[in-house]
Amino acid sequence: DSGVTQTPKHLITATGQRVTLRCSPRSGDLSVYWYQQSLDQGLQFLIQYYNGEERAKGNILERFSAQQFPDLHSELNLSSLELGDSALYFCASSIGTGSVTDTQYFGPGTRLTVL
Amino acid sequence: DQQVKQNSPSLSVQEGRISILNCDYTNSMFDYFLWYKKYPAEGPTFLISISSIKDKNEDGRFTVFLNKSAKHLSLHIVPSQPGDSAVYFCAAHGSSNTGKLIFGQGTTLQVKP
Repeated sequence: DSGVTQTPKHLITATGQRVTLRCSPRSGDLSVYWYQQSLDQGLQFLIQYYNGEERAKGNILERFSAQQFPDLHSELNLSSLELGDSALYFCASSIGTGSVTDTQYFGPGTRLTVL
Repeated sequence: DQQVKQNSPSLSVQEGRISILNCDYTNSMFDYFLWYKKYPAEGPTFLISISSIKDKNEDGRFTVFLNKSAKHLSLHIVPSQPGDSAVYFCAAHGSSNTGKLIFGQGTTLQVKP
């Protein structure tokens, strides 16, 4: 158990809908990261928040948005869903800003299926 | 553009033998590399890392080798155990001041008893 929790574990929805994925970081961690893993692909970095502020942005679609709240939990909002958005979405957290020695601990993921 | 590549989707080895997982990268600016291990229904777990100023880092049964001129790294597991059966991801640290990790596609290792 990494200490990072993600809810829900599974989500099935229809095209055009909007969903929210939730992540609670390990106690004391200030950074939260979101990654997307599509079928047979590696994890793709989406976005990083550090202490409530956006720190880094990857190939995140405009239909996707995220935020980190004062209690440090984070939410990833996916809207106007398409079939291709079906994937595993991982959240990770780390203590610091994401330097090379700042280990990222991953949650178990949320499996999103868009029908 | 896949900056980190793991060209072998799967690898099968006998228990007790050596497992060698390979990874190539294209960006010569990458200066820190990591290996993560992932079991089904779990998130990736950090395994071992290496800085570009080194060519080898060892932690118990796990050793990572880095060949900067070839832009290649490998993970050696000796001896392999059935519990090592998992998906192994190679990753590069993409930025010096953020936590952006760039992952390869992963290699599924099966260690047979």
